Amino acid sequence: RKEVEQDPGPFNVPEGATVAFNCTYSNSASQSFFWYRQDCRKEPKLLMSVYSSGNEDGRFTAQLNRASQYISLLIRDSKLSDSATYLCVVTGARGGGSNYKLTFGKGTLLTVNP
Amino acid sequence: DVKVTQSSRYLVKRTGEKVFLECVQDMDHENMFWYRQDPGLGLRLIYFSYDVKMKEKGDIPEGYSVSREKKERFSLILESASTNQTSMYLCASNAPWDRGTDTQYFGPGTRLTVL
Repeated sequence: RKEVEQDPGPFNVPEGATVAFNCTYSNSASQSFFWYRQDCRKEPKLLMSVYSSGNEDGRFTAQLNRASQYISLLIRDSKLSDSATYLCVVTGARGGGSNYKLTFGKGTLLTVNP
Repeated sequence: DVKVTQSSRYLVKRTGEKVFLECVQDMDHENMFWYRQDPGLGLRLIYFSYDVKMKEKGDIPEGYSVSREKKERFSLILESASTNQTSMYLCASNAPWDRGTDTQYFGPGTRLTVL
């Protein structure tokens, strides 16, 4: 299994749609999980961290399933401004050199259409 | 507001040239990283540093070296640029995990073209 694997996309959805992104990771000792957003020709920026209990930020909901090594991001009522590439990101195990590294998925491109 | 800056947004160099990419962060972060991003390959870690004068190889260090003489500055060096090093280079920094966050902050990127 690849370290971090995401739906390859692209996803094209109409405004107002609900869209879900999935991600799996191979390192069962991973401790921190994130979703980053990257606009075209821009740098990645943190969208939200993902916590074991799941967390919500407005229209965005992130879920973590440690048993299945699976992370998801749900976007409700999608807006044109949500069009971007969404990157699933996982850290290495705590302690040791890998503690400081993030491993990025290749990203999933979302286009929200009017 | 957190800030990571990179010395150039666009750079064009010739094969064989020595290339320096500079990154500066103003957040007093211990950890700094260099990635390259290519279509279809995503972000790949080249080198990282968790302290001044410390460095560790990432996943694709071949053809690159780094320098961290000051805490706020992390330089990526292409000793002899080659066309396969044409890419977008992204610098990032973060605080150690035991401060409660692993969030990495990225610079705007340098798009390097090697002719």
